[in-house]
Amino acid sequence: DGGITQSPKYLFRKEGQNVTLSCEQNLNHDAMYWYRQDPGQGLRLIYYSQIVNDFQKGDIAEGYSVSREKKESFPLTVTSAQKNPTAFYLCASSIGGADLSNQPQHFGDGTRLSIL
Amino acid sequence: QQQVKQSPQSLIVQKGGISIINCAYENTAFDYFPWYQQFPGKGPALLIAIRPDVSEKKEGRFTISFNKSAKQFSLHIMDSQPGDSATYFCAASNAGNMLTFGGGTRLMVKP
Repeated sequence: DGGITQSPKYLFRKEGQNVTLSCEQNLNHDAMYWYRQDPGQGLRLIYYSQIVNDFQKGDIAEGYSVSREKKESFPLTVTSAQKNPTAFYLCASSIGGADLSNQPQHFGDGTRLSIL
Repeated sequence: QQQVKQSPQSLIVQKGGISIINCAYENTAFDYFPWYQQFPGKGPALLIAIRPDVSEKKEGRFTISFNKSAKQFSLHIMDSQPGDSATYFCAASNAGNMLTFGGGTRLMVKP
């Protein structure tokens, strides 16, 4: 079955720690995305990548970092600079190309990050 | 200009009834309007999408109505079922811009 796998499902972080959330896809998609979901605020774009070794900031990139060394993988690091990291994080992918705006996005089942 | 406003935040409907969720936008350049459905503990999944060249699109019990002049679009769920209980997100985008999501509507369909 093709899809997106996010791990872990639940993650706890101590103050001042960096944590990395995993996202792997076997859909052969070029584009990948990270969103943050907070109650009542919908999904907000953190970072996206149109192709390997390239990524762009989204609307709320401060305090986060990403890498895209492989087509299948797009890990997100929540750094200690992110002052309010408690949220549900969603990874998504789409076919890719020059214009990502109207492509259906396929989502993973998310990682819930909490601060201890 | 990039905001998409969604209402209501929560909705309770009896089984067999019609669920209606509304979204409004400001950016007249938006040309793609998808709806996503999200069950608890899961990621959203694309439900149905519309472009502004049509006023309505129907897929099974789900219908999107689009009013370009009012800059509004809505999701209608006919014959609502308990299995439709989920959170629904509208979104909008245009060439060169990423999806902007509404705040979500939590739908509960009572048996």
